[in-house]
Amino acid sequence: AQSVTQLDSQVPVFEEAPVELRCNYSSSVSVYLFWYVQYPNQGLQLLLKYLSGSTLVESINGFEAEFNKSQTSFHLRKPSVHISDTAEYFCAVSDRAGSARQLTFGSGTQLTVLP
Amino acid sequence: DAGVTQSPTHLIKTRGQQVTLRCSPISGHKSVSWYQQVLGQGPQFIFQYYEKEERGRGNFPDRFSARQFPNYSSELNVNALLLGDSALYLCASSSGTVNSLGYTFGSGTRLTVV
Repeated sequence: AQSVTQLDSQVPVFEEAPVELRCNYSSSVSVYLFWYVQYPNQGLQLLLKYLSGSTLVESINGFEAEFNKSQTSFHLRKPSVHISDTAEYFCAVSDRAGSARQLTFGSGTQLTVLP
Repeated sequence: DAGVTQSPTHLIKTRGQQVTLRCSPISGHKSVSWYQQVLGQGPQFIFQYYEKEERGRGNFPDRFSARQFPNYSSELNVNALLLGDSALYLCASSSGTVNSLGYTFGSGTRLTVV
């Protein structure tokens, strides 16, 4: 069984400040890792994913996340946030093994960027 | 290209009724998954279908069922609705290959049970 813990339910930050959203996972098998973003009244959008290779992955809008196997973490960071980054962010894992690719999500972190 | 489309966008049902939610995946995607997102929580996996076969089932009661059609669209059925079934139901599609992992989600169907 897998579980995902997002340590902060709400993160307020001022515009142009850096931010880190924390994610830890628990799994008995190797996993794939994902970050999704959800804007109000919308579905989930894939922000970035770690499948293999470099442990640092980046998105097109300036977010990055680093897979740390020893700490079982996949924290999301951005050096300078914008008002438009205000949204709910979800960390998720998926088993590497098996044919089903179900995602196990954390409970989410609401990022609020203040002017 | 159209994304994942879900219908209806909103609906209100009474306890005990039955509901059918519909999903059309991205053209060429053969895998469809369903998730339930209760307000204030992360999505919970319900079902996954690939090439019309059930590949995974989450920890949901038998009142929940689904199927996938030859054109890869899918329906989620919920019988004997309970107040606790009120949630955003999300459909996600994928081509099924490893590099496509991550899924594309639709905007969801907001179900309210009264």
